[in-house]
Amino acid sequence: NAGVMQNPRHLVRRRGQEARLRCSPMKGHSHVYWYRQLPEEGLKFMVYLQKENIIDESGMPKERFSAEFPKEGPSILRIQQVVRGDSAAYFCASSPTGSSTEAFFGQGTRLTVV
Amino acid sequence: GEDVEQSLFLSVREGDSSVINCTYTDSSSTYLYWYKQEPGAGLQLLTYIFSNMDMKQDQRLTVLLNKKDKHLSLRIADTQTGDSAIYFCAESSHARQLTFGSGTQLTVLP
Repeated sequence: NAGVMQNPRHLVRRRGQEARLRCSPMKGHSHVYWYRQLPEEGLKFMVYLQKENIIDESGMPKERFSAEFPKEGPSILRIQQVVRGDSAAYFCASSPTGSSTEAFFGQGTRLTVV
Repeated sequence: GEDVEQSLFLSVREGDSSVINCTYTDSSSTYLYWYKQEPGAGLQLLTYIFSNMDMKQDQRLTVLLNKKDKHLSLRIADTQTGDSAIYFCAESSHARQLTFGSGTQLTVLP
């Protein structure tokens, strides 16, 4: 059973481009969390999704950011018109039940906006 | 809103015990966690404690919780160089989304 897979591991985008970050949960996990880690800070919650549903997006910036977790395929975090301040590590975690006590984190995608 | 605070750095000698401290503000926290992050890697859940417990031990790791003072600590016995990493304290109200501290960089000196 592979762990939580995130790709790409590193992503460089120019200001104004779009960034798409993918998260494939562990087998049997239907709950996904996305977190953002700014340099030298802790992780900040962004969004919690269950298959085909957004359960809690209270941590998502109001503009340019969106997330989905379709019935088939990975969860996608999409950032439109990226700005320098979006440079960060983006982590996803998957869980079979939604409980964080059973959640596993991916290795993260490090986004650099130039 | 919720806040989780940790000291930024800790250095210990190999073989000594390490104690990493954390305070939190959310009185509705039901679970408290310790994660380890090695360079360039994701977060590894080390252990968690339910808020009605005051201690949990797992091999070299001991977690102490003082709910009255909202203080959590992680003790690593016989610290090894492989323990060098960033350690994050986190809390959640219903085992859902986590609120993390800024992390403590543990450096183990030979």
